[in-house]
Amino acid sequence: AQSVTQLGSHVSVSEGALVLLRCNYSSSVPPYLFWYVQYPNQGLQLLLKYTTGATLVKGINGFEAEFKKSETSFHLTKPSAHMSDAAEYFCAVTPSGGSYIPTFGRGTSLIVHP
Amino acid sequence: GAVVSQHPSRVICKSGTSVKIECRSLDFQATTMFWYRQFPKQSLMLMATSNEGSKATYEQGVEKDKFLINHASLTLSTLTVTSAHPEDSSFYICSASERGTEAFFGQGTRLTVV
Repeated sequence: AQSVTQLGSHVSVSEGALVLLRCNYSSSVPPYLFWYVQYPNQGLQLLLKYTTGATLVKGINGFEAEFKKSETSFHLTKPSAHMSDAAEYFCAVTPSGGSYIPTFGRGTSLIVHP
Repeated sequence: GAVVSQHPSRVICKSGTSVKIECRSLDFQATTMFWYRQFPKQSLMLMATSNEGSKATYEQGVEKDKFLINHASLTLSTLTVTSAHPEDSSFYICSASERGTEAFFGQGTRLTVV
């Protein structure tokens, strides 16, 4: 069984400020972890993923996330927010070594103020 | 990167009619395709998983006779909403997986039943 908890349905930051979106997971087997971004009326775009290897993962648009097994976390960060980062962000987990059937978090809406 | 094309992006239909949504993997062979439904401000709800040439596996609570899924080839899956009613209005998203480690998402279809 697996689950994902995204803390905070909304996160508000000023342009240029640090972005931190939290994701905690539970999984009975080693997980693969993903962050997706969704703009209004569009599908999901993969930002980054952790499968194996380095626990600090760099993605597109300046985002990165760190897999911390001891904390069962996979928080998403970006040093400096842009207005264009305003969107919905979803964390997802799928069991490693098997079929990709992800469990999604409820999503976090990132609001960027000028 | 891998591209999944979903069509149409928006559709309005009359109550009682059927609507077909197509999901195509343009540059890879999708052994597995997923169909999701997303309500406003909510996460993705997995409706069904389909493997090429096999019957779709529906999630609990999803009416398979209402939401017909066909995955006839490695590049095309279709979702047909039969006898649509206003409560079926929603945002439907497909995703496609090639090797089972991740999936790529279509742009989504906004269905409005009037």
